[in-house]
Amino acid sequence: DTAVSQTPKYLVTQMGNDKSIKCEQNLGHDTMYWYKQDSKKFLKIMFSYNNKELIINETVPNRFSPKSPDKAHLNLHINSLELGDSAVYFCASSPTGTYNEQFFGPGTRLTVL
Amino acid sequence: RKEVEQDPGPFNVPEGATVAFNCTYSNSASQSFFWYRQDCRKEPKLLMSVYSSGNEDGRFTAQLNRASQYISLLIRDSKLSDSATYLCVGFGNEKLTFGTGTRLTIIP
Repeated sequence: DTAVSQTPKYLVTQMGNDKSIKCEQNLGHDTMYWYKQDSKKFLKIMFSYNNKELIINETVPNRFSPKSPDKAHLNLHINSLELGDSAVYFCASSPTGTYNEQFFGPGTRLTVL
Repeated sequence: RKEVEQDPGPFNVPEGATVAFNCTYSNSASQSFFWYRQDCRKEPKLLMSVYSSGNEDGRFTAQLNRASQYISLLIRDSKLSDSATYLCVGFGNEKLTFGTGTRLTIIP
């Protein structure tokens, strides 16, 4: 039933490791996003994909690499994790032409030790 | 200066009171605006869109003033369930830009 789902919900890992977060939406939307919400609760867009093509890359370090195998999935791989990567990562999706109404997943809380 | 600025609060308001939040934006090219609501440890959810003519949805009224680059949200007859963080959001260049949010707690 879940519209936008993310796995895992919690991720605790050591500095220097590589990890991935998966996102899937069953809403039939064409556009998907990754956001980062830091400890001050500031929510900022990282990437957006429309029909598997990258359309926004907001000056995110290249240790972050999104991958969209199909328009229902947008995964986020992070290499060489740093302490500052600790945050909640939200995936979202929106129908084509309505980028403004976005539906968010439950978030993945990443803690880097 | 952030593109969308809000008073972070917290606002502690007795149940039944009326509360108003404001938000200012710096990018005059922003096309549209929204209020999102985020409960503690949950994802943001769209609350309502904001139009220049003002719009109302039940106890909630939103207003946009483009000349002053100012957005407002009014909540009447506040309920305990209104306790959340309210995010002011601008849309432009195919992306949403979020304010830092205003935290509201309704006190019984």
